[in-house]
Amino acid sequence: QTVVTQEPSLTVSPGGTVTLTCASSTGAVTSGNYPSWFQQKLGQAPRSLIHSASNRHSWTPARFSGFLLGGKATLTLSDVQPEDEADYYCLLYFGGARVFGGGTKLTVL
Amino acid sequence: QVKLVESGGGVVQPGGSLRLSCAASGFTFSRFAMHWVRQAPGKGLEVVAFIQYYESDKYYADSVKGRFTISRDNSKNTLYLQMDTLRPEDTAVYYCVKGDWAVDYWGRGTLVTVSS
Repeated sequence: QTVVTQEPSLTVSPGGTVTLTCASSTGAVTSGNYPSWFQQKLGQAPRSLIHSASNRHSWTPARFSGFLLGGKATLTLSDVQPEDEADYYCLLYFGGARVFGGGTKLTVL
Repeated sequence: QVKLVESGGGVVQPGGSLRLSCAASGFTFSRFAMHWVRQAPGKGLEVVAFIQYYESDKYYADSVKGRFTISRDNSKNTLYLQMDTLRPEDTAVYYCVKGDWAVDYWGRGTLVTVSS
């Protein structure tokens, strides 16, 4: 059973920068895992932010950036805003299987 | 604009069945893969099932394999999830999600509660 691991929680100050990571128990995350990132605010459905590691959707603010770095998928939020406080999930593809990470609770404080 | 509207959720006893539907609009439904993703209360996201646009390619999470069936009717722009032999651990909000490796749009979800 493949496990995808994210930081359980992170805290960032308004205007700051924070990086969330997404790791795979099978080894390095690559472009072939098509890493995606999602934001979920309290009481709302998730919203897609990034697909294929680094591609923003048309509605995704430019302060959200996705990368492959050090064998992991990463999501960097720059100039963090109070409204960025949310849960963030990554999704990786392993052939047919599709596995979410456990999510990162981001607090803006 | 793209809209995904789930329906069919509710309260069901353990061992029972439910059929979820997702009505899609605002895009050419027959050209896109679709997912069902669920979220148990206070928990994270889990891909439950996936179906390609050409229907023959499907994926199921181990937790639902043999109990759930994903299908689609491209003539009705509708995605389905037949859920049989339901268990209390299937209690969750079920989301309909558009796309394959580039997931983009999500529905608002429908709540399924399995309880006696």
